Amino acid sequence: RKEVEQDPGPFNVPEGATVAFNCTYSNSASQSFFWYRQDCRKEPKLLMSVYSSGNEDGRFTAQLNRASQYISLLIRDSKLSDSATYLCVDISGTYKYIFGTGTRLKVLA
Amino acid sequence: EPEVTQTPSHQVTQMGQEVILRCVPISNHLYFYWYRQILGQKVEFLVSFYNNEISEKSEIFDDQFSVERPDGSNFTLKIRSTKLEDSAMYFCASSEAFSYEQYFGPGTRLTVT
Repeated sequence: RKEVEQDPGPFNVPEGATVAFNCTYSNSASQSFFWYRQDCRKEPKLLMSVYSSGNEDGRFTAQLNRASQYISLLIRDSKLSDSATYLCVDISGTYKYIFGTGTRLKVLA
Repeated sequence: EPEVTQTPSHQVTQMGQEVILRCVPISNHLYFYWYRQILGQKVEFLVSFYNNEISEKSEIFDDQFSVERPDGSNFTLKIRSTKLEDSAMYFCASSEAFSYEQYFGPGTRLTVT
């Protein structure tokens, strides 16, 4: 069974800190992922894509490590508004997304 | 910015009743999806739909579930005889193409009593 695993957290960090999450995946053929962000009881919203070359968007950096089958998300200079659940999503291969369980981040003032 | 809309935002129904959840995907999108999220759990794929037929469905999507695109704008999920365990948030999503970003609607919270 193809799965995506995440540490549920919560990760409690002070404002301004750098925080990183990992997500492991079991399907060795997977090569395309997204990070989505989900606020409490809201819909998932795309944060960034992750392909073999990684991706950077402002304070956010995502990397894919195919050898170890994990992807990472790094958030620099955390803001209070970054508090949310971050969902790792495998978009490889079929007509569906496979979601991880999500990692909760709380940024503390 | 175009968005996916869903109605109703909250539906309460009694066990055994039929419910229809409605979605209006983004207008130029061709692929449509339903997902569900039980409270405190992960988002789970139910079904994908393209060119007026199901592309893929999960083991959750049994004979009690059906989807339809009754006109050029709506995409519906029907649950024929609801069970307590169908209580969840149901998200509709759409995308331009299969591997492109899926845009999610705000969800319908279904409560089965």
